[in-house]
Amino acid sequence: LAKTTQPISMDSYEGQEVNITCSHNNIATNDYITWYQQFPSQGPRFIIQGYKTKVTNEVASLFIPADRKSSTLSLPRVSLSDTAVYYCLVGDIVQYSGAGSYQLTFGKGTKLSVIP
Amino acid sequence: EAQVTQNPRYLITVTGKKLTVTCSQNMNHEYMSWYRQDPGLGLRQIYYSMNVEVTDKGDVPEGYKVSRKEKRNFPLILESPSPNQTSLYFCASSPIYGREGEQPQHFGDGTRLSIL
Repeated sequence: LAKTTQPISMDSYEGQEVNITCSHNNIATNDYITWYQQFPSQGPRFIIQGYKTKVTNEVASLFIPADRKSSTLSLPRVSLSDTAVYYCLVGDIVQYSGAGSYQLTFGKGTKLSVIP
Repeated sequence: EAQVTQNPRYLITVTGKKLTVTCSQNMNHEYMSWYRQDPGLGLRQIYYSMNVEVTDKGDVPEGYKVSRKEKRNFPLILESPSPNQTSLYFCASSPIYGREGEQPQHFGDGTRLSIL
């Protein structure tokens, strides 16, 4: 199982760009990288997913180097409402190969605090 | 509306009294999973199911049971709850043949269990 390591917490001022890096040294060839956001007392919700290079959507960008041993979630111009815990997950269900099991292991997450 | 529904949302009970937390999804997803979330430990997978009658252990299965008799339902059973199972529980579902970039796992709103 691919294990992930993230910083425990980060602080940022409103309006700044925030980059959260996740290490996943033993990522498998078929594994995708997915980031989730979680607010207190709510279930995690999907932010972005990628396999390699760069992916961008309306809320974030995901940078994945060629060796895929890490990934960086980039949140442009954060606001107070971006204060949350961010989880990196390697090997999410999409693109399941159909063989074997699919146990998922989330990391401990990064608590982002946005300061006014 | 696509959703994962958990019941109850809150429960306080006593040691040894069997309880069941229900989970239902309306998206015809094959994959369903239960997680527990504890401070400082992030999300840990308890059990998962790839389809009807197919279940397997996650990272922390001890003290829990699950069943998958229908595709939409995946109840979590605590036969003899103990205080160390006091936690916030999340159910999630996902298609196993999704498309890249689409939302993988959909999470419920959580069930807060307190075992006295």
